Amino acid sequence: AQSVTQLGSHVSVSEGALVLLRCNYSSSVPPYLFWYVQYPNQGLQLLLKYTSAATLVKGINGFEAEFKKSETSFHLTKPSAHMSDAAEYFCAVMAAGSARQLTFGSGTQLTVLP
Amino acid sequence: EAGVTQFPSHSVIEKGQTVTLRCDPISGHDNLYWYRRVMGKEIKFLLHFVKESKQDESGMPNNRFLAERTGGTYSTLKVQPAELEDSGVYFCASSQVGSFTDTQYFGPGTRLTVL
Repeated sequence: AQSVTQLGSHVSVSEGALVLLRCNYSSSVPPYLFWYVQYPNQGLQLLLKYTSAATLVKGINGFEAEFKKSETSFHLTKPSAHMSDAAEYFCAVMAAGSARQLTFGSGTQLTVLP
Repeated sequence: EAGVTQFPSHSVIEKGQTVTLRCDPISGHDNLYWYRRVMGKEIKFLLHFVKESKQDESGMPNNRFLAERTGGTYSTLKVQPAELEDSGVYFCASSQVGSFTDTQYFGPGTRLTVL
């Protein structure tokens, strides 16, 4: 069985500050990992995904994440927060096998303060 | 290119009534998924279609939920009879059949409230 833990259901940062959203996973096999973002009244949008190529993955809107197998982590970062980054962020895992379902974390609501 | 669309955006029904949610995937996407987010909880997988066939329905909570995908195009998810605990946001996603990590594109969701 696999699971995803997102530390911090709410995170607040000042505009221009570093964004760090934490994600830890558990999986019996090497997984594929994803970060999605949901803006108000919209569907989930893929930010980036790790598929066993480079461990540092760059995504859209200046976000990136690093896969660390030893720490079973896939934290999301952005050097400088913008007001438009305010949204809910979800980490998800897909097991490397026949199942294609995504297992999500509980989400982190990011607030950007002026 | 149109994204994944879902109808209705909101539905408020009383316990015991029936509700049908609809999802139109991106054209050409053979994979279609249903997920649900109950208030305050994580988004959970319900089932996966490949074309018109149910590939995996391990996440369906009980037999009050019936999903169909006639002709391999749009899908419906019927809840009959609805219970209070069925309230939540129901998401649909679609992806192409191809590499294993094909991106799943999500719709905006249907917010279901059962009173």
